Amino acid sequence: DAKTTQPPSMDCAEGRAANLPCNHSTISGNEYVYWYRQIHSQGPQYIIHGLKNNETNEMASLIITEDRKSSTLILPHATLRDTAVYYCIALNYGGSQGNLIFGKGTKLSVKP
Amino acid sequence: KAGVTQTPRYLIKTRGQQVTLSCSPISGHRSVSWYQQTPGQGLQFLFEYFSETQRNKGNFPGRFSGRQFSNSRSEMNVSTLELGDSALYLCASSFRGRGSADTQYFGPGTRLTVL
Repeated sequence: DAKTTQPPSMDCAEGRAANLPCNHSTISGNEYVYWYRQIHSQGPQYIIHGLKNNETNEMASLIITEDRKSSTLILPHATLRDTAVYYCIALNYGGSQGNLIFGKGTKLSVKP
Repeated sequence: KAGVTQTPRYLIKTRGQQVTLSCSPISGHRSVSWYQQTPGQGLQFLFEYFSETQRNKGNFPGRFSGRQFSNSRSEMNVSTLELGDSALYLCASSFRGRGSADTQYFGPGTRLTVL
């Protein structure tokens, strides 16, 4: 699975959009971009995933660049409850089970 | 639809004891994976079960074992506990765990403390 790079931390004001970047320059054609988040000491929560098209669900939007070398997770109206560590992962499901390997992620702090 | 459940949520054991953790996947999910998470090592894959068969295994000693039942519920066992086994143990389930994107959903975890 491709390596991903994320900034270690970000701040966001409550009510504003939080834009979390992820670099995956070595991603291959059959690797999906997945985002999870983990609030302190809880199980990771799935947010969204995509292959090459932009995706949106009730939690967030995922914007993937045309060359697929980077992506941005957008939380449109961040709340204090969105404070968490966000993980970007590139996963290949073409072969064996895509075992999740979380890097250090981005610690997002939403401030009032 | 109910999420992944894990029991117990918290556990305190002493060195040398053994422990069994339980995971009930989302209804209809047949793949269950187990992970260990510690501050130092991050998230590490233990093993994955599908249709009662261990399909994949991480790099952990034989003291860590698991099984899956016909209803897809899974248990993991750690024998001869060591202090370093203190961690958050996470279970994740997915529909089939292979092929096209098949999202893994995590349970709340079991916090194991070894004294």
